[in-house]
Amino acid sequence: NAGVMQNPRHLVRRRGQEARLRCSPMKGHSHVYWYRQLPEEGLKFMVYLQKENIIDESGMPKERFSAEFPKEGPSILRIQQVVRGDSAAYFCASSPLDSGNTIYFGEGSWLTVV
Amino acid sequence: AQSVTQLGSHVSVSEGALVLLRCNYSSSVPPYLFWYVQYPNQGLQLLLKYTSAATLVKGINGFEAEFKKSETSFHLTKPSAHMSDAAEYFCAVNVAGNQFYFGTGTSLTVIP
Repeated sequence: NAGVMQNPRHLVRRRGQEARLRCSPMKGHSHVYWYRQLPEEGLKFMVYLQKENIIDESGMPKERFSAEFPKEGPSILRIQQVVRGDSAAYFCASSPLDSGNTIYFGEGSWLTVV
Repeated sequence: AQSVTQLGSHVSVSEGALVLLRCNYSSSVPPYLFWYVQYPNQGLQLLLKYTSAATLVKGINGFEAEFKKSETSFHLTKPSAHMSDAAEYFCAVNVAGNQFYFGTGTSLTVIP
């Protein structure tokens, strides 16, 4: 029973390039969350999605960031025109449908912008 | 609005001493509460969760937490710290609609 799978684990991008981070939820989970963790900081909520639907994107920066969770395939967090400040660990989590269920985290994707 | 406050961003204890990590929550309705642990360069792992079945919740690795409604607290404890407990610990609350809110984390250092 595979857990939440994130790839790539490590990604290096030059300023101005695009970064795409992928997340496959646990089997049977219909909800995906993206969080960002900056060095020495806590976990910041970014976006919460169901299949083909963004439920809450209140934590997403207004520009350059987007997320999707298509009917088929993994959820994608896309960062356009990356800047040094985007360097962080990006964690995906998934949960089943009902409220109160645990969310399960992936191992994270570490983005470094050089 | 729901929120979680973790008092003390850094806690140090001696090996074998009691571990106490504090978490207070704000919620207008009975919440579900969680503690997660994060080891360096890894994702978050669930330690334990409270879902209203019992106020004292036992988790993995000898950790437990007690839900106190009157104090709106869900502090994490372990009677005797082990070197392998050194990690970052996050408290989280889930109220409704699958929205989860995390505290800012507490870094636990265990001194030999």
